[in-house]
Amino acid sequence: NAGVTQTPKFQVLKTGQSMTLQCAQDMNHEYMSWYRQDPGMGLRLIHYSVGAGITDQGEVPNGYNVSRSTTEDFPLRLLSAAPSQTSVYFCASSYGEGNEQFFGPGTRLTVL
Amino acid sequence: KQEVTQIPAALSVPEGENLVLNCSFTDSAIYNLQWFRQDPGKGLTSLLLIQSSQREQTSGRLNASLDKSSGRSTLYIAASQPGDSATYLCAPRRATAGRRALTFGSGTRLQVQP
Repeated sequence: NAGVTQTPKFQVLKTGQSMTLQCAQDMNHEYMSWYRQDPGMGLRLIHYSVGAGITDQGEVPNGYNVSRSTTEDFPLRLLSAAPSQTSVYFCASSYGEGNEQFFGPGTRLTVL
Repeated sequence: KQEVTQIPAALSVPEGENLVLNCSFTDSAIYNLQWFRQDPGKGLTSLLLIQSSQREQTSGRLNASLDKSSGRSTLYIAASQPGDSATYLCAPRRATAGRRALTFGSGTRLQVQP
């Protein structure tokens, strides 16, 4: 199993550009989530999904969109990047919402 | 809103020491609690998951305890090694079905000196 994979590893955007961070898992996990990690603030939940076709907002959803068309994939879209979205983004998955969560290696995003 | 505090923020010990990392949380209505380690520039690695009904969970040299009513968890590392150097994160999971998200502390940065 590859586990949770994320692409790209690094990305630099200009303010106003859009992009999609990719996340995939091969463990047949129903629950997937996106976090951002900022210095001194810990990890904060952006969006999550309890299964294909079902998504919900986390603590810091503004400026981000998600969809879940398959069990395996959970992409995170930035519609119009802002410098405040400079962060490290982690995708995670688990069998169910209360089960052990496994994290991907992260995407380091810089918005200029 | 759940607040998670981890003390100490940083710790440096010589190899071989036993050590305790502390985690406290404000909302005791949790489903379970997960401990992670994070190496610099890397993702999170799950160490232990302790259910709200459990008092302790062990994996190798690691032992996590949970006192849900007082909002505390500790991670005990026995016979520390330089390879244990990392940041350790505590994350209680909310109990509400359909909204069982993890809330993270800022972590304890551990350095084990050879």
